[in-house]
Amino acid sequence: ILNVEQSPQSLHVQEGDSTNFTCSFPSSNFYALHWYRWETAKSPEALFVMTLNGDEKKKGRISATLNTKEGYSYLYIKGSQPEDSATYLCAFKSDSWGKFQFGAGTQVVVTP
Amino acid sequence: DAGVIQSPRHEVTEMGQEVTLRCKPISGHDYLFWYRQTMMRGLELLIYFNNNVPIDDSGMPEDRFSAKMPNASFSTLKIQPSEPRDSAVYFCASSLGAGVPYNEQFFGPGTRLTVL
Repeated sequence: ILNVEQSPQSLHVQEGDSTNFTCSFPSSNFYALHWYRWETAKSPEALFVMTLNGDEKKKGRISATLNTKEGYSYLYIKGSQPEDSATYLCAFKSDSWGKFQFGAGTQVVVTP
Repeated sequence: DAGVIQSPRHEVTEMGQEVTLRCKPISGHDYLFWYRQTMMRGLELLIYFNNNVPIDDSGMPEDRFSAKMPNASFSTLKIQPSEPRDSAVYFCASSLGAGVPYNEQFFGPGTRLTVL
C-alpha cells in the first residue's frame, strides 16, 4: 500500500523558470522525510533529511519545506537548469524502527 | 569509501535459471536494503537487514526470492527459478543507524536483470 503520494507525476519546465511539487504522507505519525534526486541511469542520491515541522532546507537552487501536521512537503527548484532534470523521490518514515516508504517520484524535465 | 558496490551491473539469463545479485554496503553501515525498480511499481522495498539480521521481508514477492547477509560487508539476493517478470533494476542501499532520522540511504549503482 503506497500511502506516500507525489504530484505531479511529471512536469516540463523551461530553463530559467521556477517550479515546485508535492509529497503527501500520513500525518498521524511522523518520524522523518527524505528527498532523493534520481538521475537517469544513475542511483538515487539523498538531497534533504527533514525531521521537524516547519523545517526548511536549501541546497543551491533547490529547497524544501515540511508540514508534518497536514502531511506534506514541497520541493522547489528556482531558476531551473537542464542539469536539474531528474526524478525526485520522497521517502517517509513513521517511527524510528520502521522502513522508509518511497513515493513514486516526480519526473522533472528542464528544456533549454 | 567506494560507496555501495553491486555486482554484476548487468545480467541476462534465461527463464528457469538461478540468478544471484551481490552487494557490499558502505563500511560501518548497519542497515542494508534491497529494492526493485519497475515501471509499474516504481522503487519497491524487498527486504532489509539490521546488523546482518533480516528485519522485514514482507516485500519479497514470492518464495523464489531469497536474501542473505552472512556478514556485515556482503549480502546476496537470489532468484530461483527466474521468470521474465523478474526483469527489473535491483538496487542495494545501506545506511547508518535506525534510531536517528538522519540515516539517509546510500544507493549502489544497481543491477539490471533481464530474464528471457
